[in-house]
Amino acid sequence: GAGVSQSPRYKVAKRGQDVALRCDPISGHVSLFWYQQALGQGPEFLTYFQNEAQLDKSGLPSDRFFAERPEGSVSTLKIQRTQQEDSAVYLCASSPRRQETQYFGPGTRLLVL
Amino acid sequence: EDQVTQSPEALRLQEGESSSLNCSYTVSGLRGLFWYRQDPGKGPEFLFTLYSAGEEKEKERLKATLTKKESFLHITAPKPEDSATYLCAVASGNTGKLIFGQGTTLQVKP
Repeated sequence: GAGVSQSPRYKVAKRGQDVALRCDPISGHVSLFWYQQALGQGPEFLTYFQNEAQLDKSGLPSDRFFAERPEGSVSTLKIQRTQQEDSAVYLCASSPRRQETQYFGPGTRLLVL
Repeated sequence: EDQVTQSPEALRLQEGESSSLNCSYTVSGLRGLFWYRQDPGKGPEFLFTLYSAGEEKEKERLKATLTKKESFLHITAPKPEDSATYLCAVASGNTGKLIFGQGTTLQVKP
């Protein structure tokens, strides 16, 4: 079946621009996670949704980062007033339920100039 | 604080030369230890989940084992197509968010 999809795959933004990154999880998966991966590092947790409820946003690095999942399926990660340090790969993962295996999308590579 | 450390950071093997990757972890109540494979420009691909000490799982040339403090990913007679970064992670907290190590980049030369 279809896996997790993310769009766009690549995004170049000028410093100060707002960006929106989209995640389509596996159909029926209740749990959705966002991670940030810097070059040469493992992914780091950003935020977690259970259906439409954002239950954990402890990993969001600043109030410029905002995520939503209004209907409990597609999720959007928005970064306002992008900075160079925001350059990274943003990964989305979904799982059938909490505490179960997470399946990752291909990621969105964000470059802020 | 939950933590994961992988070693070595990089590993070069000749085709057919078996070896092991290490993942040391500290977590308050293990809810699962996960191994993923990541190819350049792609997202992590799920390999194994281990839940309790003594558990082992195998898939083709890969075998994952778990003790109370670490996990090993054994690679038997590797092939060039096994070249990738291997990530280890533990599930943490009530949400099951993953805490990752920095990964081991494996290169298998023909």
